Amino acid sequence: GAGVSQSPSNKVTEKGKDVELRCDPISGHTALYWYRQSLGQGLEFLIYFQGNSAPDKSGLPSDRFSAERTGGSVSTLTIQRTQQEDSAVYLCASSFSSREGKQFFGPGTRLTVL
Amino acid sequence: QQQVKQSPQSLIVQKGGISIINCAYENTAFDYFPWYQQFPGKGPALLIAIRPDVSEKKEGRFTISFNKSAKQFSLHIMDSQPGDSATYFCAASTLLFGSARQLTFGSGTQLTVLP
Repeated sequence: GAGVSQSPSNKVTEKGKDVELRCDPISGHTALYWYRQSLGQGLEFLIYFQGNSAPDKSGLPSDRFSAERTGGSVSTLTIQRTQQEDSAVYLCASSFSSREGKQFFGPGTRLTVL
Repeated sequence: QQQVKQSPQSLIVQKGGISIINCAYENTAFDYFPWYQQFPGKGPALLIAIRPDVSEKKEGRFTISFNKSAKQFSLHIMDSQPGDSATYFCAASTLLFGSARQLTFGSGTQLTVLP
């Protein structure tokens, strides 16, 4: 079956522009997660959705970041007024309802802010 | 505060050798410990995972050893192969809401297996 897909795979934008990153989770997965991976760094947890609800947005780096999920499926991460420090790979993961909640990752979107 | 500490940062092993990566955690609320493998340009892929009520789990050439009292766990890769060259992340998981879980990752280990 299809895995987690993300689009675009690469995004180059100018400082100050807004960007939207999309995630299509594995069908039937109830939870969806966004992470950020800076060059040579580990993975930073940003936000998660249980269904369409995001109970905790405290992991988002600033108020320029927002995310939504509709229909219990596709999610969009939006970064407004991008800054150079936003340059990173943004990873999406999803999981189904289980005790372990194993997370399956997409290939990521590489964002470069010039 | 880094809740999962991973070492070494990089590791070079000869083909056929044993690769060992270590992790330590602080939060006793963690109740699931997966390892992820990441190749350049790809997302992390779940490799193997363990629950804290088990001291060891083996899947093929990959083994997790878990020491609950010391709050440490490690990944052993037996008979390491050049194709194992990748970045490995340990993680620790806690329940968030519903079935959602938060993964806290270690900083990663870049493994190079020489032919």
